Amino acid sequence: DGGITQSPKYLFRKEGQNVTLSCEQNLNHDAMYWYRQDPGQGLRLIYYSQIVNDFQKGDIAEGYSVSREKKESFPLTVTSAQKNPTAFYLCASSIRDGNTEAFFGQGTRLTVV
Amino acid sequence: GNSVTQMEGPVTLSEEAFLTINCTYTATGYPSLFWYVQYPGEGLQLLLKATKADDKGSNKGFEATYRKETTSFHLEKGSVQVSDSAVYFCALTMGSGYSTLTFGKGTMLLVSP
Repeated sequence: DGGITQSPKYLFRKEGQNVTLSCEQNLNHDAMYWYRQDPGQGLRLIYYSQIVNDFQKGDIAEGYSVSREKKESFPLTVTSAQKNPTAFYLCASSIRDGNTEAFFGQGTRLTVV
Repeated sequence: GNSVTQMEGPVTLSEEAFLTINCTYTATGYPSLFWYVQYPGEGLQLLLKATKADDKGSNKGFEATYRKETTSFHLEKGSVQVSDSAVYFCALTMGSGYSTLTFGKGTMLLVSP
């Protein structure tokens, strides 16, 4: 079945550590996105990528980094510079057409301990 | 910039009641409009969409009509079920070329038997 796979589902990080969240899609989509979800704040865009080896900052990119070396993969690194990383992270993908919907993964819940 | 405003929740209803969740938007141009649903601990799923004025999106008994004159896309369902309990997000993307999704903050719906 085609879809988006995020891993792990739950992740715990000690303060000061970097951590990488995985996102893989087999939908042959060009565009991929990372969103952060906090209670009562909806979804906020962290980074997005339209094609391989290219990506752009979203609204809240500080403290995060990404790479897009393959069309299928768009990993997100939460660095120690991110002051409040505890959140639910959602990866999505879409074809490059503004009229079409995005498809979402099941999310990764990151907790700083 | 573009923005989406949804009614605050939670919305609490009894089974078989009528549902309305209000959504209004601000956009430069003519956006495509979407409703996504999120069940507890999961990612977002597309519920319905409309890409031009006066279009009606519908799915699983839910409906929403793209009203350009009132810049609205209200979600309705004639008879809710307990299984409809979830968080509902209104979103937009600009219809021409490539664009990211802009989300509202989400509205939680709780349906009791």
